[in-house]
Order: sequence, then C-alpha cells, then structure tokens
Amino acid sequence: NAGVTQTPKFRVLKTGQSMTLLCAQDMNHEYMYWYRQDPGMGLRLIHYSVGEGTTAKGEVPDGYNVSRLKKQNFLLGLESAAPSQTSVYFCASSWTATGELFFGEGSRLTVL
Amino acid sequence: AQRVTQPEKLLSVFKGAPVELKCNYSYSGSPELFWYVQYSRQRLQLLLRHISRESIKGFTADLNKGETSFHLKKPFAQEEDSAMYYCALIGGYSTLTFGKGTMLLVSP
Repeated sequence: NAGVTQTPKFRVLKTGQSMTLLCAQDMNHEYMYWYRQDPGMGLRLIHYSVGEGTTAKGEVPDGYNVSRLKKQNFLLGLESAAPSQTSVYFCASSWTATGELFFGEGSRLTVL
Repeated sequence: AQRVTQPEKLLSVFKGAPVELKCNYSYSGSPELFWYVQYSRQRLQLLLRHISRESIKGFTADLNKGETSFHLKKPFAQEEDSAMYYCALIGGYSTLTFGKGTMLLVSP
C-alpha cells in the first residue's frame, strides 16, 4: 500500500520555466491538498480538492494551478516559475474534511 | 478567520525532562485541534487529535477553550521525540490551518 506518492521528489528550474508536480493516492480519498513548507512559515495551503473534478484556492494560490481529473490524482502546476516558489511541496489526502491527513514524502523544488 | 500560533521555533531539552510545546488558536466557534509530527526523513503524520483524548507515544494534549490553547505535553522526553511538531486547527467548513511549527531537540 503506497499511500500518497509524489513525483518528482527533486527538481531544479530556471525562472520562467513550467513544471507539474503529480500526487497520487491509492486510498480512495475524496479530499486532496497541496501545501508548501518554508522555514519559519510552517505549512501553507496552496490549493485543495473535495472530489474528482473540483478544485479550490487555499491560502497562497497565486502562481499555481491545479487539476483533479481523476479521483486518485491531484496535479500542481507552475506556469512560470519564480524564485519565490522555491520550497518543499507536500501533497496530502483525507477521507473527510476533518479527517486525518496522509502526507506524501514531499517534493523539493528550487527555482534559480 | 482561524489562526494557530506556536510561539517557540525551537525547544531544546535534556532526556528525561518534561516537555510542553505551546499552541494557541484563534477561532470563534468550536474547533477541532490536532498535533502533527515530522521526524527526520519521515513523512508528516498525525500524532493526536483532541477529540480522541488519547495518549500517543506518551504525549497528551488538552483543549482549553478558556485560554484557547492546545499545548502538547510529555512528562519525560526521549531522544526519539526529536522532531518538528505542528499544531493544526479546523473549524466549520474550512480547511486545516497549521501553525509555523516547533522543532523539539532532546539531548542525551
């Protein structure tokens, strides 16, 4: 049982490049989330989804887009990467809105 | 708006000493509160939630609505408790809000 899997785990981008982070969960969870973790800032919610085909903005959505075409996958896109988006990105999923979050291992992104 | 405050970025204690990781929250209704932990090279994971009222790995946390606090306590710290601890809150129809985290270092 893999749980929540994120790919890639590491990536270096140049300013202006685009990329997509993939999150896959095999627990049939309805809710999926993308967080970023920065030193001294904790975890901040970027976007989330309450079910297949739905997405919603979190606390820091600017510069990111997401899609949830399949229930098990939640994609996070950066259209034009900026150095301020250098961070560790975590995907998480849960059964319910108030349920335990299950996290992926994280994806470390560096934008030069 | 909901907010979680963890006033300490770093808490350093010796093995066997008591530990208290502070968490204060701001929310007008009845929130659900959680502690998540991230050990080195491991995934972030749930440690405990206030509605369970259970002790996990010797840790307990009591919700104090009067003081709007949910401090995490352990009477005798162990080296393996060294980790980053996040307090988190969810209220109403919102999503989970995390505090900035407290790094706990337990020295031998």
